[in-house]
Amino acid sequence: NAGVTQTPKFQVLKTGQSMTLQCAQDMNHEYMSWYRQDPGMGLRLIHYSVGAGITDQGEVPNGYNVSRSTTEDFPLRLLSAAPSQTSVYFCASSYRTSGTQYFGPGTRLTVL
Amino acid sequence: TQLLEQSPQFLSIQEGENLTVYCNSSSVFSSLQWYRQEPGEGPVLLVTVVTGGEVKKLKRLTFQFGDARKDSSLHITAAQPGDTGLYLCAGAGFQKLVFGTGTRLLVSP
Repeated sequence: NAGVTQTPKFQVLKTGQSMTLQCAQDMNHEYMSWYRQDPGMGLRLIHYSVGAGITDQGEVPNGYNVSRSTTEDFPLRLLSAAPSQTSVYFCASSYRTSGTQYFGPGTRLTVL
Repeated sequence: TQLLEQSPQFLSIQEGENLTVYCNSSSVFSSLQWYRQEPGEGPVLLVTVVTGGEVKKLKRLTFQFGDARKDSSLHITAAQPGDTGLYLCAGAGFQKLVFGTGTRLLVSP
């Protein structure tokens, strides 16, 4: 099993550009989530999904969209990138909310 | 504002010392997890505590869940350089898992 994969690993955007961060898991997990990690802030929940077709907002959802058309994939879309979105983004999956979270390797995003 | 506050934010100690990291919240959680994160990698689960007052031991690491299920602590005995990393607590609520602010630990030989 590949576990949780994220692409790209690094990305530089200009302010106003849009892009999609990809996340896929092959463990048949129902629960998937996106976090951003800034220095000194731990991990903050952006969006999460409890199953295909179901998504909801986390603590910091503004400027981001998600969809969950399949169990395996949970892409995160930046609609119009801003310097405040410079961060490291982690995707995670698990069988349930309170279960062990398996994290991807992260995407380091810089917005100029 | 994050629901889970960890203290201290940063801890630098010598090998062999003991330390305690705290994770506090005003919210009640159904369970609480502790993760450790190495630079450039995602967090990895250390332990999950479920019952109020529960104590779990993982070698030199002792985890405790508060009686009211609002707080937790991580105690490391005789810290080693291999314990260096970012320690994160995470509380499970209804359909959400929220992480704490993190404690960065540096253990010097």
